[in-house]
Amino acid sequence: EVQLVESGGGLVQPGGSLRLSCAVSGFTVESTYVSWVRQAPGKGLEWVSVIYRDGSPYFADSVKGRFTISRDNAKNMVFLQMNSLRVEDTAVYYCAREVPVDGYFDSWGQGTLVTVSS
Amino acid sequence: DIQMTQSPSSLSASVGDRVTITCRASQSIGTYLNWYQVKPGKAPKLLIYSASSLQSGVSSRFSGSGSGTDFTLTVSSLQPEDFATYYCHQSSETHSFGQGTKLEIK
Repeated sequence: EVQLVESGGGLVQPGGSLRLSCAVSGFTVESTYVSWVRQAPGKGLEWVSVIYRDGSPYFADSVKGRFTISRDNAKNMVFLQMNSLRVEDTAVYYCAREVPVDGYFDSWGQGTLVTVSS
Repeated sequence: DIQMTQSPSSLSASVGDRVTITCRASQSIGTYLNWYQVKPGKAPKLLIYSASSLQSGVSSRFSGSGSGTDFTLTVSSLQPEDFATYYCHQSSETHSFGQGTKLEIK
């Protein structure tokens, strides 16, 4: 059974940092793409970042230069390092398995809440 | 960037009704269009991928159609568990989502 479990969310001040984790089971993180998608309170879904099979990353313009994505193949986990956080980064962050080429997200975690506030 | 516009933004319907949600892309995306169901506190659920393919395990009440710039999601006979928010998503050029359609019980 495919499962993704996010952790690491919490309250952080503007300008601070937070590292989110996505623990995966049922597939290996290096065999496919894994993305992060967020949903701000009362708002819609917004794609944030992806890590491809070869380990290369890609980011939405809204987080480029502030967020990094990485993975640990041995632990079967993906990480989102978020720096220089802004109030507008407040959201539930989901990790999701992305099907290569077609690009749809066929499995999602339940999300972790990040609140950026002073 | 490709903009996705969903309509309506909200919809009231009754159990047993047939409802249709539309999604328009700002440029042609072929059939790189997917639909998700989101409920509060739960993981989003893939319903339809590649415009018209039903995800495994999803009720056949759900169907999708379209290509190019115009797409639809249809629920043939609403059940109580279908009341949720629905999002379209294009995966032709990076990713972008529609603003969502909240389906409420009338």
